[in-house]
Amino acid sequence: DTGVSQDPRHKITKRGQNVTFRCDPISEHNRLYWYRQTLGQGPEFLTYFQNEAQLEKSRLLSDRFSAERPKGSFSTLEIQRTEQGDSAMYLCASSLTGGEAQHFGDGTRLSIL
Amino acid sequence: AQTVTQSQPEMSVQEAETVTLSCTYDTSESNYYLFWYKQPPSRQMILVIRQEAYKQQNATENRFSVNFQKAAKSFSLKISDSQLGDTAMYFCAPGGFNTDKLIFGTGTRLQVFP
Repeated sequence: DTGVSQDPRHKITKRGQNVTFRCDPISEHNRLYWYRQTLGQGPEFLTYFQNEAQLEKSRLLSDRFSAERPKGSFSTLEIQRTEQGDSAMYLCASSLTGGEAQHFGDGTRLSIL
Repeated sequence: AQTVTQSQPEMSVQEAETVTLSCTYDTSESNYYLFWYKQPPSRQMILVIRQEAYKQQNATENRFSVNFQKAAKSFSLKISDSQLGDTAMYFCAPGGFNTDKLIFGTGTRLQVFP
């Protein structure tokens, strides 16, 4: 069990640029989740996958955001035309199945200049 | 929509003492799960304890235990024999409301003093 891995740890970009984050879940975990956490707040749900199927998307996930999990393994979260309000920590988690504990990665901190 | 309230933004406790963090939530569902997570400064979210709503027995995990009152929709966390390493932000997170996402509270910042 190597844990949930996220890359990069930090991303600094200019407003209007596109960014992509990667998450590698724990190998046998079928469920993969994305959350966003701003300073001083609890994480907010963005989307989650069961294997390669995206089962739910939050209304927070505007059309500038897209997530994929090809082949049910790693996942990517892309933000197009970044805005100042996108600055946050993006957390990935995985679980063996629904209702089981979600194991979190270290997160990717996004800063928009 | 489900909501979670953690009414104590900050708490402090002396090493070896006991502290209780409160959490209330709102849902019309009957079957769900509840979690407490801790997030040390600049470190990743770590699971503390898990409770299934259909179980009446309160979950325990070493020094951590919960007081789950389903009718009152209350889910408090008790930390016994507090240690310096318990210093962290603690989040209450119910989930499983016809979906698998977790809904996090705003957190309680716990400081353990020597």
